[in-house]
Amino acid sequence: AQTVTQSQPEMSVQEAETVTLSCTYDTSESNYYLFWYKQPPSRQMILVIRQEAYKQQNATENRFSVNFQKAAKSFSLKISDSQLGDTAMYFCAFMKGTSGSRLTFGEGTQLTVNP
Amino acid sequence: GAVVSQHPSWVICKSGTSVKIECRSLDFQATTMFWYRQFPKQSLMLMATSNEGSKATYEQGVEKDKFLINHASLTLSTLTVTSAHPEDSSFYICSAWGGARSYEQYFGPGTRLTVT
Repeated sequence: AQTVTQSQPEMSVQEAETVTLSCTYDTSESNYYLFWYKQPPSRQMILVIRQEAYKQQNATENRFSVNFQKAAKSFSLKISDSQLGDTAMYFCAFMKGTSGSRLTFGEGTQLTVNP
Repeated sequence: GAVVSQHPSWVICKSGTSVKIECRSLDFQATTMFWYRQFPKQSLMLMATSNEGSKATYEQGVEKDKFLINHASLTLSTLTVTSAHPEDSSFYICSAWGGARSYEQYFGPGTRLTVT
């Protein structure tokens, strides 16, 4: 079974600053995907970024980037130039690379961006 | 991007009654849908996996007779909470798998259930 661990229940950052959210996972799978989802107060789950395990290059989406360390089973999210709208709960998630697989979520990190 | 809708967005029901929540994929066919439950400030807990035309697969500890799931078509899955009790009050979220060419799940906006 897969497990995903987010060790930071809450974090805060000043607007325009950079913040990194941590995530570690455990799996025996060789083919898998990792995701960061954002859940703002509306509670709609929004995909932030996705990383394929077979890709060595770290994924980047505008201000969001990941540091994927496969051997260490670490998958951190860096948010640059933080904006007030980034305030949300962030979930790290794991999915096996098999069609129709389930997502396994971490406990979440509540990020607050302060003006 | 793909859109998943849920209806209703908020429902209040009396203890002992049943309530049905619909999850629809609006612009794609979803052979697999997932139902989650989320308590305040907690993570999403997978309740069951719903496959079109077959019985749902429930996670350990989830009462299949209480949470009835029906995936009658490629665009619709329903979750019925039977004989609801106050402890069933929660936020229910569905997601739909985007298909063989997608390794992404698309989430509905969620349904807040309050049982009085």
